[in-house]
Amino acid sequence: AQSVTQPDIHITVSEGASLELRCNYSYGATPYLFWYVQSPGQGLQLLLKYFSGDTLVQGIKGFEAEFKRSQSSFNLRKPSVHWSDAAEYFCAVVNNAGNMLTFGGGTRLMVKP
Amino acid sequence: EAGVTQSPTHLIKTRGQQVTLRCSPISGHTSVYWYQQALGLGLQFLLWYDEGEERNRGNFPPRFSGRQFPNYSSELNVNALELEDSALYLCASGPGGDYGYTFGSGTRLTVV
Repeated sequence: AQSVTQPDIHITVSEGASLELRCNYSYGATPYLFWYVQSPGQGLQLLLKYFSGDTLVQGIKGFEAEFKRSQSSFNLRKPSVHWSDAAEYFCAVVNNAGNMLTFGGGTRLMVKP
Repeated sequence: EAGVTQSPTHLIKTRGQQVTLRCSPISGHTSVYWYQQALGLGLQFLLWYDEGEERNRGNFPPRFSGRQFPNYSSELNVNALELEDSALYLCASGPGGDYGYTFGSGTRLTVV
């Protein structure tokens, strides 16, 4: 069965600094991978996804993620964080049949002014 | 295009009561997924409905159930509510696979 680990529960960065959120997955085949963001009290918004091709994927709000098969990782990055990026971020993998998302535990991002 | 809509947005129930949550998927999506997000427990898969049938369920007791209607909307029912059922219940719809899933804003259930 697939699984996702987000090693960092909380991360605090200063506004304007760069950001990297870590995600490691366990899956037997080529994974479909996603990053979602959740603002307080809200649902999940899809930031970006990877399923094949170029290992560097671009998403919304200036985010990007790099798929590294050798490291079983799919880390999310942003070159310059804005205060509005403060939220919880979830990495997820979908199973073979493409019908069940498994989420990591999430990383809560705080942004210092 | 309307997104995934969930109702109600908030509700408070007493332990032992029953509750029904509703979800309308994006037009054209036949699959509906339910997730529970309880404090400190992350996002837990509850149920998956497709074409009116329950296709898969997570590790939840039978008092969590639901159904999907011919128009692909869905209900989640929880019987005999317990305090630990307090959570944000999220519904998602999609064709799934590499298209991903679109989530609604959730229903916040508080059991007192």
